[in-house]
Amino acid sequence: DTEVTQTPKHLVMGMTNKKSLKCEQHMGHRAMYWYKQKAKKPPELMFVYSYEKLSINESVPSRFSPECPNSSLLNLHLHALQPEDSALYLCASSQGKGGVNTGELFFGEGSRLTVL
Amino acid sequence: KQEVTQIPAALSVPEGENLVLNCSFTDSAIYNLQWFRQDPGKGLTSLLLIQSSQREQTSGRLNASLDKSSGRSTLYIAASQPGDSATYLCAVRGAGKSTFGDGTTLTVKP
Repeated sequence: DTEVTQTPKHLVMGMTNKKSLKCEQHMGHRAMYWYKQKAKKPPELMFVYSYEKLSINESVPSRFSPECPNSSLLNLHLHALQPEDSALYLCASSQGKGGVNTGELFFGEGSRLTVL
Repeated sequence: KQEVTQIPAALSVPEGENLVLNCSFTDSAIYNLQWFRQDPGKGLTSLLLIQSSQREQTSGRLNASLDKSSGRSTLYIAASQPGDSATYLCAVRGAGKSTFGDGTTLTVKP
């Protein structure tokens, strides 16, 4: 099973709403990632979790709050977003080795977020 | 800071042609390089992973090469098919994270 599952596939929210994106993998990977992708642009890294600890935050605004409840799950909590945050949000995972993430990245299908 | 460039930005070929996509990077201190394809509105599908100690990897009609010293990788697609139409992205893995190129959008015409 080389699958990363993301829910929901589509999400529409207002600027005052609170919502969450969910990501799950059962490959035993110990590194998980959130990326943001705008149309016709490459994915931009937001957060990296390594062994369930936040290891990289690419200066993401606090209206995005990641959470890694266990080694298989990754959430992204959304609050007070702006219309410019509308994008495809991609989750990925990879094998970690002794804290150095050198493994192949596996991506989910993404959650398409629209902020009204 | 790692910078990754993909050339060309777009490519249109007739079905059956062999083609090469290019990826260059500025910092040769990498762990691996990965090629992906992305269909519109979808996630990224991994095509090939080349570790820093390897020179090339093959999967079916795809062959990827890596020359770390010159900061270059190529993705060779043999006998292209309309189903190969997609955006192809390369990602270079450094310490803890990957840097993506802007991608090459490939159209294969029947």
